[in-house]
Amino acid sequence: AQSVTQLGSHVSVSEGALVLLRCNYSSSVPPYLFWYVQYPNQGLQLLLKYTSAATLVKGINGFEAEFKKSETSFHLTKPSAHMSDAAEYFCAVSAPYSSASKIIFGSGTRLSIRP
Amino acid sequence: NAGVTQTPKFQVLKTGQSMTLQCAQDMNHEYMSWYRQDPGMGLRLIHYSVGAGITDQGEVPNGYNVSRSTTEDFPLRLLSAAPSQTSVYFCASSSPGKNTGELFFGEGSRLTVL
Repeated sequence: AQSVTQLGSHVSVSEGALVLLRCNYSSSVPPYLFWYVQYPNQGLQLLLKYTSAATLVKGINGFEAEFKKSETSFHLTKPSAHMSDAAEYFCAVSAPYSSASKIIFGSGTRLSIRP
Repeated sequence: NAGVTQTPKFQVLKTGQSMTLQCAQDMNHEYMSWYRQDPGMGLRLIHYSVGAGITDQGEVPNGYNVSRSTTEDFPLRLLSAAPSQTSVYFCASSSPGKNTGELFFGEGSRLTVL
């Protein structure tokens, strides 16, 4: 069984500050992990994914995430926030080579950027 | 590049009415699915299909029907709408074996049931 927990339903940072969105997972097998972003009134789009290659994964728009097996974490970071980063972010987990129907989504973290 | 197209974008129904949310994709993806998104609950899978003629239930299937007669289309039917079905609905597709885990989402259909 797999699950994912996103810590903090809402995170607010100042423009130019570090963005840190937390995600912890539980999985009985080595997981695949994903971050999706949802801009207002849009569908979700893939930001980055970990599929057992490099533990530090770089995504679009300057975001990156590090897979830490010992901490069962896959936190999302960006060194300097931009106003355009305001969105909702979802962490997701699945088992390797499993059906897309087995992807489990977290409850989401809304990121606000203060001018 | 259309991707995944959902219609309508907004709909208001009265309790007991029926309607169909349409979903079409032009990427020749075998896998298609419907999710509902509710505040604080993330995305929950309603129904999915791994190919034409094949459908299966997800986490929250009650009150919804689907069919898959073509690779491109995957409509979601509400037979008798209830206020609990007020939500934002997303259709998503994927190509098994490629880009594992990457779902391509439509822009959503916001449904209000009065």
